[in-house]
Amino acid sequence: GAVVSQHPSRVICKSGTSVKIECRSLDFQATTMFWYRQFPKQSLMLMATSNEGSKATYEQGVEKDKFLINHASLTLSTLTVTSAHPEDSSFYICSARTGAYYNEQFFGPGTRLTVL
Amino acid sequence: GENVEQHPSTLSVQEGDSAVIKCTYSDSASNYFPWYKQELGKRPQLIIDIRSNVGEKKDQRIAVTLNKTAKHFSLHITETQPEDSAVYFCAATSNSGYALNFGKGTSLLVTP
Repeated sequence: GAVVSQHPSRVICKSGTSVKIECRSLDFQATTMFWYRQFPKQSLMLMATSNEGSKATYEQGVEKDKFLINHASLTLSTLTVTSAHPEDSSFYICSARTGAYYNEQFFGPGTRLTVL
Repeated sequence: GENVEQHPSTLSVQEGDSAVIKCTYSDSASNYFPWYKQELGKRPQLIIDIRSNVGEKKDQRIAVTLNKTAKHFSLHITETQPEDSAVYFCAATSNSGYALNFGKGTSLLVTP
């Protein structure tokens, strides 16, 4: 149990376009979902926390107008990178928390975004 | 906010030796400390975790110790194998927000 999927796994886009990444909890309802960004050879950096039906809470330095997060249901959260630029190229990983396993989080497989 | 420091950044051991990775945290409210193994291009994989009401936990070759007073926790891998080679991250979180705060990672290389 506790499986999280992400789609797409890889995306290549041109500079200036928008990209949407989906994160789904497949066999549980996620009370909270998190979005992380990981640059090569670096750690995971929290971008935002989202709770179903409410606005996401963004970390300092993360532009909320550039990284749009929607958590419309207890099983789906989306991250849209608007007007992507090469510096947005990164590995984006979501995680979900059930609330039933203490503070444990379950990670999606990640999305490799490359902006040309 | 929480600050998690992790050392060393790289660690090379011979197969069969033990490996120890150490982390410190700053927020005394942190109460959950997971350790993740990440292979290149893959998601972090939880290998062991410990809660603040426990001082030590062991699962086969892997163990974690927690010293709440000193605010540090450590990962111990015994009888290392080449397949243990990966990047290991420690993390800490509390009941406030539940977001994971990660250390910078340790690249472990186990040579045959």
